[in-house]
Amino acid sequence: RKEVEQDPGPFNVPEGATVAFNCTYSNSASQSFFWYRQDCRKEPKLLMSVYSSGNEDGRFTAQLNRASQYISLLIRDSKLSDSATYLCVVNQNNAGNMLTFGGGTRLMVKP
Amino acid sequence: EAQVTQNPRYLITVTGKKLTVTCSQNMNHEYMSWYRQDPGLGLRQIYYSMNVEVTDKGDVPEGYKVSRKEKRNFPLILESPSPNQTSLYFCASRTQRRGGVYNEQFFGPGTRLTVL
Repeated sequence: RKEVEQDPGPFNVPEGATVAFNCTYSNSASQSFFWYRQDCRKEPKLLMSVYSSGNEDGRFTAQLNRASQYISLLIRDSKLSDSATYLCVVNQNNAGNMLTFGGGTRLMVKP
Repeated sequence: EAQVTQNPRYLITVTGKKLTVTCSQNMNHEYMSWYRQDPGLGLRQIYYSMNVEVTDKGDVPEGYKVSRKEKRNFPLILESPSPNQTSLYFCASRTQRRGGVYNEQFFGPGTRLTVL
């Protein structure tokens, strides 16, 4: 089983749709969680951190479910510019400084 | 402008010819790391450094070397490149975690390496 697992997609949605991605992680001791966005052939950029209580940033909402060991990202009112790959990132090794990346979920928003 | 820079951005080389990919950050970050990204495998960490003269292996260190002689620079060295090291490489940096909180990691623009 991969340490951080995501559905690779692609998720093809129309503009204005709501779309949700999940990501599961294997290490129950993980403490830090993030969503990064990566455009084609470009570097990943932080979209948002994921807090235990859940957090929202405009059209984006992130949730953490420790009991089931998954995090989610909800995008409301999808825009064409949301088309990208979304990477789930987890700190799996609290003793060190390593971040583990999921394989990414590709989102394509169509007119 | 706060940034992570990498050079070269594109490189085609031949098996066995030593190469170095440079990485530099101007944010005074303690932590720097190198990743490679391959289709279907995602981003995998090669090496990381928690500060000057402190480096450690990541998930896929075989065939790579690094050094951290200065805080701002973290070069990746391939002593004898092989075709299976053809990949997209990213350097990244961030501040050290404080109180268990991991801060945002900033990535360089990537280096696309092809080894023939």
